[in-house]
Amino acid sequence: KNEVEQSPQNLTAQEGEFITINCSYSVGISALHWLQQHPGGGIVSLFMLSSGKKKHGRLIATINIQEKHSSLHITASHPRDSAVYICAVYNTNAGKSTFGDGTTLTVKP
Amino acid sequence: KAGVTQTPRYLIKTRGQQVTLSCSPISGHRSVSWYQQTPGQGLQFLFEYFSETQRNKGNFPGRFSGRQFSNSRSEMNVSTLELGDSALYLCASSLGTISGTDTQYFGPGTRLTVL
Repeated sequence: KNEVEQSPQNLTAQEGEFITINCSYSVGISALHWLQQHPGGGIVSLFMLSSGKKKHGRLIATINIQEKHSSLHITASHPRDSAVYICAVYNTNAGKSTFGDGTTLTVKP
Repeated sequence: KAGVTQTPRYLIKTRGQQVTLSCSPISGHRSVSWYQQTPGQGLQFLFEYFSETQRNKGNFPGRFSGRQFSNSRSEMNVSTLELGDSALYLCASSLGTISGTDTQYFGPGTRLTVL
């Protein structure tokens, strides 16, 4: 079992739909990051979470430390949100980040 | 502020050769981390440098090495290249808080193809 599991692996939505991407992890962490990767490779850090909830524009990220679970929500999805979303956890004991396999989101107009 | 830059952007090498990739972090950032991304294994952590010292290391063979200079620029070297080393190599810079809670800023990556 991977240390970081993301679901779903692929997601297709219609423009305007509410999107949820989930991330579960099995190790102790000090932080969880949500990343966005567009075709061509460029990665942008969306959120860093150590507890609670954060919101930026149409994006909301939550984390439940006790349940070792985080969700990324996109409200009113748009075709420009089409990208791969990657969950990364920073393992305090190992001193390194471990990444989920990513969720490929396609938003159709 | 200029972003993270990586050179070269594309590289083609043959098996057995060695390669050096370069990463220039955002001004003021003291931590540089390197990652390998392949279709089969996804993103994997290679190593992190902070103030010219390797602070953390992933599970890669000794053929993968790196260093950081006094201006925080970093290089990674892969010796005796294998076909499986073909990948996108990404570096990311951050201020360097040890607990990993800093936002990392990623470079565009170097696409290495080993023939």
